[in-house]
Amino acid sequence: GAGVSQTPSNKVTEKGKYVELRCDPISGHTALYWYRQSLGQGPEFLIYFQGTGAADDSGLPNDRFFAVRPEGSVSTLKIQRTERGDSAVYLCASSPGHNNEQFFGPGTRLTVL
Amino acid sequence: QKEVEQNSGPLSVPEGAIASLNCTYSDRGSQSFFWYRQYSGKSPELIMFIYSNGDKEDGRFTAQLNKASQYVSLLIRDSQPSDSATYLCAVNYGQNFVFGPGTRLSVLP
Repeated sequence: GAGVSQTPSNKVTEKGKYVELRCDPISGHTALYWYRQSLGQGPEFLIYFQGTGAADDSGLPNDRFFAVRPEGSVSTLKIQRTERGDSAVYLCASSPGHNNEQFFGPGTRLTVL
Repeated sequence: QKEVEQNSGPLSVPEGAIASLNCTYSDRGSQSFFWYRQYSGKSPELIMFIYSNGDKEDGRFTAQLNKASQYVSLLIRDSQPSDSATYLCAVNYGQNFVFGPGTRLSVLP
């Protein structure tokens, strides 16, 4: 079956702009995670959804970051007033349930100029 | 402070040898432990997970968990050049997961 997909694969934007990153999880997976990864580092947890609700958003760095999953499937990560420090690869992962193995999408490389 | 520590490497082993990768974590309450492999420019892919103390084997890979000492390791037998990648250890902390910085493994032909 299809794996986790993310769009766009690359996004270049200017400082101060708004961006949306999309994640389409594996069908039937109830858990969805967002991470960001900088070069040479492991993925950094941002937010975890169980169904439609954000079960843990403690990793969101500040209020410029927001994520939704309105129908319990596709999720969108939204970043307002982007800063150069937001540049990273944003990874989405889905899982059949919490504490189960996670399957990662290919990521979106965000570059803020 | 939620921490997962790994030696950044690089760890170099000759082809056919056993590669040993280690990971320590700070929270005794953690229940789930995962090993991922990440090739350069690609996303992480799951190798193994382990929940109970002891060893778990899957093909050339063996995960070892010692909750008392708070470490988890990954052994790769008969290492191949295609195993050259960064290996990430991930540990659950409550509702979220913390990844280590990864260990870069280089298998020399």
